[in-house]
Amino acid sequence: EVQLLESGGGLVQPGGSLRLSCAASGFTFDDYAMNWVRQAPGKGLEWVSGISGSGGRTYYADSVKGRFTISRDNSKNTVYLQMNSLRAEDTALYYCAKDVLNMAWYFDLWGRGTLVTVSS
Amino acid sequence: EIVLTQSPATLSLSPGERASLSCRASQSVSSYLAWYQQKPGQAPRLLIYDASNRATGIPARFSGSGSGTDFTLTISSLEPEDFAVYYCQQRRDYATFGPGTKVDIK
Repeated sequence: EVQLLESGGGLVQPGGSLRLSCAASGFTFDDYAMNWVRQAPGKGLEWVSGISGSGGRTYYADSVKGRFTISRDNSKNTVYLQMNSLRAEDTALYYCAKDVLNMAWYFDLWGRGTLVTVSS
Repeated sequence: EIVLTQSPATLSLSPGERASLSCRASQSVSSYLAWYQQKPGQAPRLLIYDASNRATGIPARFSGSGSGTDFTLTISSLEPEDFAVYYCQQRRDYATFGPGTKVDIK
């Protein structure tokens, strides 16, 4: 079955860190770029970060640049998001999203999301 | 950064009616625009890419048009399952999403 399964969310204090994981199945993982998109409670969608199929190119939204790091392990069909220096405004449901190609920047497969709450 | 605006914020229609949703970009995105549908408690679903191409499995009642800065998503005849929030997204400069249009039942 073609699917993405996120994990790693939770409650963290401001300034803390979390690492999100997204396990992929059902497609040739390293053929596709992967992305993280977040949605704050009751709000719209915000693209956060993307990584090419090989992992050689990474991209970040200005709001997370310097704090978040995206990576992937193609041997494990998994993409990660390391989130440091977390702020209250990072509170959101974080979706893992598959690109339609390698850096086409359209997203045709989404996970169910993992919730990150930043609060003291 | 390319900013997308969507109008209206809410569209109240009845099943069977035609829906027209607008997305405007702060600068030209050529035809690099997608539309997504999101229902409560669900992840977004890709409907249209490159302004007018339906994604795999998307019914023909969904169509997209436009180029440059002005785009439209049209649902020719609303089905009960089409009541949802719709987002546009540009890929001209990384990816940004519009704020969404909620299509609800009148």
